[in-house]
Amino acid sequence: SQKIEQNSEALNIQEGKTATLTCNYTNYSPAYLQWYRQDPGRGPVFLLLIRENEKEKRKERLKVTFDTTLKQSLFHITASQPADSATYLCAPDYGNNRLAFGKGNQVVVIP
Amino acid sequence: DAGVIQSPRHEVTEMGQEVTLRCKPISGHNSLFWYRQTMMRGLELLIYFNNNVPIDDSGMPEDRFSAKMPNASFSTLKIQPSEPRDSAVYFCASLPGLGSYEQYFGPGTRLTVT
Repeated sequence: SQKIEQNSEALNIQEGKTATLTCNYTNYSPAYLQWYRQDPGRGPVFLLLIRENEKEKRKERLKVTFDTTLKQSLFHITASQPADSATYLCAPDYGNNRLAFGKGNQVVVIP
Repeated sequence: DAGVIQSPRHEVTEMGQEVTLRCKPISGHNSLFWYRQTMMRGLELLIYFNNNVPIDDSGMPEDRFSAKMPNASFSTLKIQPSEPRDSAVYFCASLPGLGSYEQYFGPGTRLTVT
């Protein structure tokens, strides 16, 4: 079965710095990988999708990389702001529009 | 658009009772997913419908769980009988299809079974 690993420890980071999150997956080869943001008491919200033939994707202050050899994706938030504080979920697909979600990595941006 | 709508937002029930969770997907979306989220297991896919037809129900824990999608604008997830280990947040998500892969999640239903 699919196994998705994200760091269980919260990432505390100073405002203005770059936050980097890691997602590792095993046992399969996704055609694409998505990242979602989840705030307390709310449903996940889509942020970015990167395909297996793309190395990097950017959206405003967000950047995602995808290394299919290492089976890893990195998620970067540049110039972080307190409003970026949330839990970020990695979700590789495993066919037929289905996603396998990691447990998420909490980010706390300190003013 | 109001987004994906779920009801109720909170449900507290006693063990053994029947629980029905409801979802209205975004109009025009052709796929619907039911997920369960707990601290221990994270976000797990329970069942996936495409054009109202169940495609993958391998994540449904056991026979106590059932899901229906009678039409494109409504789906239910039923637990009968409920048990304390079913306590979790249940999310419904819809997908536009036609080459778009991002899922739109509802606000979730927090279920507590005592």
